[in-house]
This record gives sequence, structure tokens and C-alpha cells, in this order.
Amino acid sequence: EAGVTQFPSHSVIEKGQTVTLRCDPISGHDNLYWYRRVMGKEIKFLLHFVKESKQDESGMPNNRFLAERTGGTYSTLKVQPAELEDSGVYFCASSPTLPEAPVNSPLHFGNGTRLTVT
Amino acid sequence: AQKITQTQPGMFVQEKEAVTLDCTYDTSDPSYGLFWYKQPSSGEMIFLIYQGSYDQQNATEGRYSLNFQKARKSANLVISASQLGDSAMYFCAMREGLTGNTPLVFGKGTRLSVIA
Repeated sequence: EAGVTQFPSHSVIEKGQTVTLRCDPISGHDNLYWYRRVMGKEIKFLLHFVKESKQDESGMPNNRFLAERTGGTYSTLKVQPAELEDSGVYFCASSPTLPEAPVNSPLHFGNGTRLTVT
Repeated sequence: AQKITQTQPGMFVQEKEAVTLDCTYDTSDPSYGLFWYKQPSSGEMIFLIYQGSYDQQNATEGRYSLNFQKARKSANLVISASQLGDSAMYFCAMREGLTGNTPLVFGKGTRLSVIA
């Protein structure tokens, strides 16, 4: 099966510009997560979709970040306007949703999008 | 709130030797799961091993084993017979509760360098 794919792999934009990151989860995975890693820090949770619904968006930094998952398939994460501190690697992960998904269900990650804001 | 601490920013190990990567966690939930991921320079996150809070035995997967000390709240990853291809970032992560439909919380990671 195809893995989680993210596009683009790299993006360099200027402060104030807009960037949209895309994530295609593994087919059939209803759980979709966005994470971000700033250099030297932990991989920080941003938000969690179950199908098209936002289950938990407690990690979103501020209202410059907008995530969508229309139709419950791929997801986009838009940053508008971008700031210098938004630089980092943005990861997407997915996992199957089962009524009683076991706690040992790992997340399947994409390769990330490296965002640089200059 | 759940928290993962990895105190070793970087580690070096000689090829064919064993290495232990430290991970401590904090949670008030008696039910939780612990995960280790590997991130090579290519960027992908590779799931390595899992340990559940109620598991009686330490988890093992090939050359990877997890030294789970519940009372100390530690879940150290042991890599035996290190190979050059083991050079990567290693992340410890945790999930609270009894279901898998929740996010993982990650530590800062440890960069492992295997020396020939």
C-alpha cells in the first residue's frame, strides 16, 4: 500500500506570504494528524482529524494556521501570513480508525515538509 | 499532562556495540503506551517498537528491545549490535488511555551516530 505522502517536500517563502501544505494519508485511514518539529525541539502535536472532523486542534499555534480535510481524504495546512517562527518540519501521520483501536496502534508518518520562512 | 523527556541530545556508539537511549515519561493515567520511532537523514519516521503499561515483559523487535521500568517511569531503547545504518534521530513517544484513536506525545529526540 502507498504510504503517507506530503507535498511539497521543501518550501522557502518570505515572511508575510502564504503557504499550503498537503497530506495524503494511507487509504482508509480516518485518523489524520499534523505535527511540527522546530530544530532541536520535540515533535509537537498540532491537530487531529477523524475523517473530515477536527477531533482536537489544541496544538494549533494561532489563527494564522488553518487545516482542512474536505471529504475526509487528503488534508491541507495553510499558514497565512507566515512568520519566521513558523519555520520547521511539518509532519503528517495517519492511522486506521477502529471502534476499539488498540492503544498500540502506531502512527504512520509522511516524510514531512520542511518550511523555511525568511 | 503527559510528557516525554529525552535527556541525551546526541550519542556515539562503536559499530557492533550495544547502545541505550534514555526516555522518561510522566503521566497520571495508569493506562498508556510507549513508542519509539527512528528518523534517518532521509526524513521518514519509522516505527520501531511498542510497550504497553500493563505488559509484563519488555518488548523486543529484532535488535531493538525496550528496558521498561514502570516504577521509574522509564522506557529506554536498547539497540544491540549497532550498524552504520542505525545512525539517525530516535524519538520516544507516549499515548495515554486504552484506545488508539488519539495523538502521540513526543520527546525532543536523540541523535545516534554509529562509528565504524
